[in-house]
Amino acid sequence: DAGVIQSPRHEVTEMGQEVTLRCKPISGHDYLFWYRQTMMRGLELLIYFNNNVPIDDSGMPEDRFSAKMPNASFSTLKIQPSEPRDSAVYFCASSRQGAVNTEAFFGQGTRLTVV
Amino acid sequence: AQSVTQPDIHITVSEGASLELRCNYSYGATPYLFWYVQSPGQGLQLLLKYFSGDTLVQGIKGFEAEFKRSQSSFNLRKPSVHWSDAAEYFCAVGARAAGNKLTFGGGTRVLVKP
Repeated sequence: DAGVIQSPRHEVTEMGQEVTLRCKPISGHDYLFWYRQTMMRGLELLIYFNNNVPIDDSGMPEDRFSAKMPNASFSTLKIQPSEPRDSAVYFCASSRQGAVNTEAFFGQGTRLTVV
Repeated sequence: AQSVTQPDIHITVSEGASLELRCNYSYGATPYLFWYVQSPGQGLQLLLKYFSGDTLVQGIKGFEAEFKRSQSSFNLRKPSVHWSDAAEYFCAVGARAAGNKLTFGGGTRVLVKP
């Protein structure tokens, strides 16, 4: 398996624009997690899905952020409108069971810069 | 709520020397504990995990960690570091009662001197 695949690897956008980050989890994994990494706040869990259903979105910073998982092999994280403070590295991870039961595999991340 | 503290933001160690990274957690019951490593420009990779049983756990790349309930600690060690161990290391805690998710510490960046 190729692992968790995220696209794009880098994204530079202007404030106010819509940004969509994409993730393909490892086949057979039932859980998918979206994390954000910044110098100030470290790694934060934004939202996670189990069997394509959002379970906990308490980490989503505000209504500008939304995430979907239309099927078992694809998820998106959308920011609309984007702001400079959204600049961060966004990671997607997947696991066969919940992250506390087994290993979570991380993608290489998307580095987002909002100017 | 569960939380993790990694007191050392940066550590510099000479190649061949031993390494110990500190991790303290806060959780009311027995936690699940993890160490992940992040190489530059990469995602996180699991080094080792503790669920129950033997409090000294072995991981990949020659790392080990010891769970000490009395100290609420889960420190990571390696007897002899290699230049390739330069990376950022994250301790994480999880608990089924808190949902199937992990809470990460702030990370410790390790620099290896020749």
